[in-house]
Amino acid sequence: QKEVEQDPGPLSVPEGAIVSLNCTYSNSAFQYFMWYRQYSRKGPELLMYTYSSGNKEDGRFTAQVDKSSKYISLFIRDSQPSDSATYLCAMSETGTASKLTFGTGTRLQVTL
Amino acid sequence: ETGVTQTPRHLVMGMTNKKSLKCEQHLGHNAMYWYKQSAKKPLELMFVYNFKEQTENNSVPSRFSPECPNSSHLFLHLHTLQPEDSALYLCASSQRGDTDTQYFGPGTRLTVL
Repeated sequence: QKEVEQDPGPLSVPEGAIVSLNCTYSNSAFQYFMWYRQYSRKGPELLMYTYSSGNKEDGRFTAQVDKSSKYISLFIRDSQPSDSATYLCAMSETGTASKLTFGTGTRLQVTL
Repeated sequence: ETGVTQTPRHLVMGMTNKKSLKCEQHLGHNAMYWYKQSAKKPLELMFVYNFKEQTENNSVPSRFSPECPNSSHLFLHLHTLQPEDSALYLCASSQRGDTDTQYFGPGTRLTVL
């Protein structure tokens, strides 16, 4: 079993839809959870960062962590074509950058 | 130039060639990282440098040789690579080695023939 599981997609949605991206994990010691966005021909950029369980909102983006189910989600409201990218989840026990475990990424396509 | 830059952006090399990838960060950070990104696989951390000292080597084959002459520059020297080494090589930096926020460069797309 992989330490972090993420559906690779692609996920295609119409503009304005609510998008739900998810990761499951097996290591119950993970406490720091991140979502990165990676546009084509670019490096990943940090989108959302959460510690432990709960929700965090930033504009159209909401990150949700359910440690009891070992499940994290990223919701995108009112999706735009500019949201088309690959979304990577990442997590760690210590919050140290060198200890991150990444998912494989989900490719999202938002169509007009 | 801002952020993290990488050169070249694309590289094609034969298995007997020697080449180098370059990374430069303009953020005043003290930690730098090399990652390998292959299709349908998670990002794999290769090396970590903190204040120019190598602090992590994740069992990377010796055909990959990193060099960090100062906190702003990081190189990855390549020699006698295999076709399975073809991937996107990403450089990242962070304020310190024990912080969580990394900034990534655009990557070098490497093809080994």
